[in-house]
Amino acid sequence: KNEVEQSPQNLTAQEGEFITINCSYSVGISALHWLQQHPGGGIVSLFMLSSGKKKHGRLIATINIQEKHSSLHITASHPRDSAVYICAEGYGGATNKLIFGTGTLLAVQP
Amino acid sequence: DTAVSQTPKYLVTQMGNDKSIKCEQNLGHDTMYWYKQDSKKFLKIMFSYNNKELIINETVPNRFSPKSPDKAHLNLHINSLELGDSAVYFCASSRTGWNGYTFGSGTRLTVV
Repeated sequence: KNEVEQSPQNLTAQEGEFITINCSYSVGISALHWLQQHPGGGIVSLFMLSSGKKKHGRLIATINIQEKHSSLHITASHPRDSAVYICAEGYGGATNKLIFGTGTLLAVQP
Repeated sequence: DTAVSQTPKYLVTQMGNDKSIKCEQNLGHDTMYWYKQDSKKFLKIMFSYNNKELIINETVPNRFSPKSPDKAHLNLHINSLELGDSAVYFCASSRTGWNGYTFGSGTRLTVV
């Protein structure tokens, strides 16, 4: 069982829909990361959070430390949001390594 | 100015060859990483260096040898390449005391 579980694995939405991607992790962490990867592209860091909620444009990330759960929401989705969204738990400290989830492939159709 | 730059972007080579991938960051970070993304798009850490010192080596075959000549550079040398080494390799950097990450654009290695 992967230390970081994401759901759903695949998601198809119509343009304008509200999208939620969920992430559960199993160990105590320093920070939870949300990353975006377009097909054939690099990895972009969207959010890093250790408590509460963060918002950037149409993207919102929340985390519940007690339940070891985080969600990424996309409001008013657009085809350009189509990408793989990956959550990762950050160990912080000396190593600060990331343990990744398996990713959610999002396709937003016009 | 690219913050974390990797070269080459694409690398196609035959089995048994030796190849290197280079990574440089101009962010002043003191920690650099190599991550491997397999054919199923799953990312996994390989190595981490902090101030030129190896701090993570995650059960990677010893055909893989990272080298960090200074804090701004972390290169990955791979000996005797195998088909299973085909993947996308991502370099990343961060700074001690800050959990954030910056990733390079990746190097797609294809072993034929």
